[in-house]
Amino acid sequence: DTEVTQTPKHLVMGMTNKKSLKCEQHMGHRAMYWYKQKAKKPPELMFVYSYEKLSINESVPSRFSPECPNSSLLNLHLHALQPEDSALYLCASSPPGQQNNEQFFGPGTRLTVL
Amino acid sequence: AQKVTQAQTEISVVEKEDVTLDCVYETRDTTYYLFWYKQPPSGELVFLIRRNSFDEQNEISGRYSWNFQKSTSSFNFTITASQVVDSAVYFCALSEGYAGGTSYGKLTFGQGTILTVHP
Repeated sequence: DTEVTQTPKHLVMGMTNKKSLKCEQHMGHRAMYWYKQKAKKPPELMFVYSYEKLSINESVPSRFSPECPNSSLLNLHLHALQPEDSALYLCASSPPGQQNNEQFFGPGTRLTVL
Repeated sequence: AQKVTQAQTEISVVEKEDVTLDCVYETRDTTYYLFWYKQPPSGELVFLIRRNSFDEQNEISGRYSWNFQKSTSSFNFTITASQVVDSAVYFCALSEGYAGGTSYGKLTFGQGTILTVHP
């Protein structure tokens, strides 16, 4: 299995809803990432988990709450989002060590906040 | 701070033309890694190549080739005999060497170049 999967592919939610994005990989990677990408812009890093521990939080608002239950799974819990949070949310993973450190990305979840 | 510049916002070519996407980077590290990713309309970022700072060898993979020049801090990407399926946004990215025993890298992306190949 050499891919990163993300569910759902599309999500529409109201500002009062609570929803979760899911990301999974079975490549034995020990770093996992959440990115946010607005239209016609590059991805922006949100969070990094390394060995299931939160290593980087790029000053993301608390309405986004990441969770890494195990080495293969990464969740992003969403609550009280704003319309400006509408974007493509990408998950990525990378193997440990610097020698082969490319990040592999999932297909993303297109989120629309009404 | 590290920075990646892709000066070409959009490029439009006709099928079978060769096209070069430019990438210029800035970093203070002596150990760093450069990447190219392709993002088709479906949205998924597809890894194309990684090059580390100690390896200035150019690389060719089928119709793709990469020219890494440390002297000019550039890592350009050429597609030979372009095809419609090459239409996508292409991102150049930089990651500095892992520090403090960490096992992950922070990617700094360029703004991307939108490539459109017309039949």
